[in-house]
Amino acid sequence: DAGITQSPRHKVTETGTPVTLRCHQTENHRYMYWYRQDPGHGLRLIHYSYGVKDTDKGEVSDGYSVSRSKTEDFLLTLESATSSQTSVYFCAIRGQTDNSPLHFGNGTRLTVT
Amino acid sequence: GNSVTQMEGPVTLSEEAFLTINCTYTATGYPSLFWYVQYPGEGLQLLLKATKADDKGSNKGFEATYRKETTSFHLEKGSVQVSDSAVYFCALSDSSGGGADGLTFGKGTHLIIQP
Repeated sequence: DAGITQSPRHKVTETGTPVTLRCHQTENHRYMYWYRQDPGHGLRLIHYSYGVKDTDKGEVSDGYSVSRSKTEDFLLTLESATSSQTSVYFCAIRGQTDNSPLHFGNGTRLTVT
Repeated sequence: GNSVTQMEGPVTLSEEAFLTINCTYTATGYPSLFWYVQYPGEGLQLLLKATKADDKGSNKGFEATYRKETTSFHLEKGSVQVSDSAVYFCALSDSSGGGADGLTFGKGTHLIIQP
């Protein structure tokens, strides 16, 4: 298994509170990604990183920010959580070889009440 | 832009039946194609991949052939088992973007195998 750890695994929070999800990798991979998974939508890309302090937006980035201060850590922050952000969040990593697949963590289930 | 279309299901089969899950794609470049599998409560695991036209990816009895002429990458297995019950995702990676921007996924197909 690729060395990817997501924390926490489960979280319940209230609308309007800030939330930070953490992804930690031990593979020294350059590329890291945050996806959300929702019924009927599959996986949608929120943000991704192509190096330390280098990040970019995905297709559903509104309401989310990210930071990558070290190669191994990629943080996803919900500045002010909303009920529409209730979802399962997956972190993924990817090597630099052309056509490398993504390797996924086990996910964080976030509920915003 | 890129997109992947697959049947959502649920697809219900009896054990030892033949499986086909259809996947078609739209891409601007020359994509690599992937199938991932997700078991309950877990993340996605790579099942197989193909990187160019006419390539066949295979793993654990599953196969898929990259058909550029029909823009398809259908997943097949000759004899399914109860343990194959999971959600299956087709995905593409468009190398023309340099590879940094991840994969585009279909919505997933929920497969249920009955004993």
